[in-house]
Amino acid sequence: GAGVSQSPSNKVTEKGKDVELRCDPISGHTALYWYRQSLGQGLEFLIYFQGNSAPDKSGLPSDRFSAERTGGSVSTLTIQRTQQEDSAVYLCASSLGPRLRVHEQYFGPGTRLTVT
Amino acid sequence: QQQVKQSPQSLIVQKGGISIINCAYENTAFDYFPWYQQFPGKGPALLIAIRPDVSEKKEGRFTISFNKSAKQFSLHIMDSQPGDSATYFCAAQRDSNYQLIWGAGTKLIIKP
Repeated sequence: GAGVSQSPSNKVTEKGKDVELRCDPISGHTALYWYRQSLGQGLEFLIYFQGNSAPDKSGLPSDRFSAERTGGSVSTLTIQRTQQEDSAVYLCASSLGPRLRVHEQYFGPGTRLTVT
Repeated sequence: QQQVKQSPQSLIVQKGGISIINCAYENTAFDYFPWYQQFPGKGPALLIAIRPDVSEKKEGRFTISFNKSAKQFSLHIMDSQPGDSATYFCAAQRDSNYQLIWGAGTKLIIKP
């Protein structure tokens, strides 16, 4: 079946503009994660959704970042008033959810965001 | 206590050699220890995973060795090939928690 898809694959924006990044998880996956990966760096956890609820928003770097998920499926990560330090690859992952002993996260290809 | 420490940061191995990447953790409540592989321009993908009730798991050329008393686990890639060149991440998770705790990653280069 189809994997996790993200759009756009690349986004170049001017400092101060708002951007929206989209994630389509694997059908039936109730858990959805957003991560940020700076060039050559590790994975920085941003937010976790279980269904449409976000019980953990602790990784969002500032109040310029927000995310929502609708219909237990598509998720949108919004960054307002973008700054140059927001430039990174934003990765989305989904998993079957908090079923005991089933943890594999399936990642999308990411959105490369460049703020000029 | 939530950290997973990964080393080395980068590794160069000759084709046919053995690549070894190490991780250490503090939280003894972790139940699940996966390794993810990431190629440039792609998202990470699960490579192999282990639970603390076994000391070793092998899948093809990839082996996880797990030392519960030392709170360490490692990935061994036998007969390393240029196609194995990628960034490898270790991680740890509790069954009761949704969150994967990630290592910082190791960039592996296999020289032909």
